[in-house]
Amino acid sequence: NAGVMQNPRHLVRRRGQEARLRCSPMKGHSHVYWYRQLPEEGLKFMVYLQKENIIDESGMPKERFSAEFPKEGPSILRIQQVVRGDSAAYFCASSPQAGGYNEQFFGPGTRLTVL
Amino acid sequence: SQQGEEDPQALSIQEGENATMNCSYKTSINNLQWYRQNSGRGLVHLILIRSNEREKHSGRLRVTLDTSKKSSSLLITASRAADTASYFCATGAEYTGANSKLTFGKGITLSVRP
Repeated sequence: NAGVMQNPRHLVRRRGQEARLRCSPMKGHSHVYWYRQLPEEGLKFMVYLQKENIIDESGMPKERFSAEFPKEGPSILRIQQVVRGDSAAYFCASSPQAGGYNEQFFGPGTRLTVL
Repeated sequence: SQQGEEDPQALSIQEGENATMNCSYKTSINNLQWYRQNSGRGLVHLILIRSNEREKHSGRLRVTLDTSKKSSSLLITASRAADTASYFCATGAEYTGANSKLTFGKGITLSVRP
């Protein structure tokens, strides 16, 4: 059973470009969470999605950021018109639909660098 | 505001010694989890303790939870150089259901000297 997959692992964008980060949850997991980690900081929650639904986006910046988790395919975190302050590591986590007790399994992260 | 706050911020010990890391939080929780992160890597889940549990063990790890003091501790016994990493506590809020978001502290950097 493969773990949570994220790609790309490293992404370099120039200011004003778009960044697309992909996350494939563990098999059988239908809950996906995105977190952002700034250097020397802990992870900050961004958004929680189930298939085709955004459940909690209280941590998402109001502009330029969006997330989706379609019926088929990976979850996508999209950042439009990136700025230098968006440079961070973005982690995706998944948890099972049933069972468990909020144990979240994390992917390796995507490190975004904005030039 | 920061929910989980770990202390110390950095800890350096000799291989074979025990490492104790503490975490405090502010609001009522559903569960508390500890994660490890090696430099530049993803997070590895270590242990989860529910709000109605007081102590839990997993191999060389021992976690305690004191909900009256809103604090938890992670003990790593007989530390190894490979335990060198950052350790984070994360809490799940009480009223947001079994699949709620996690709130992380800033982490503790543990260095184990060979």
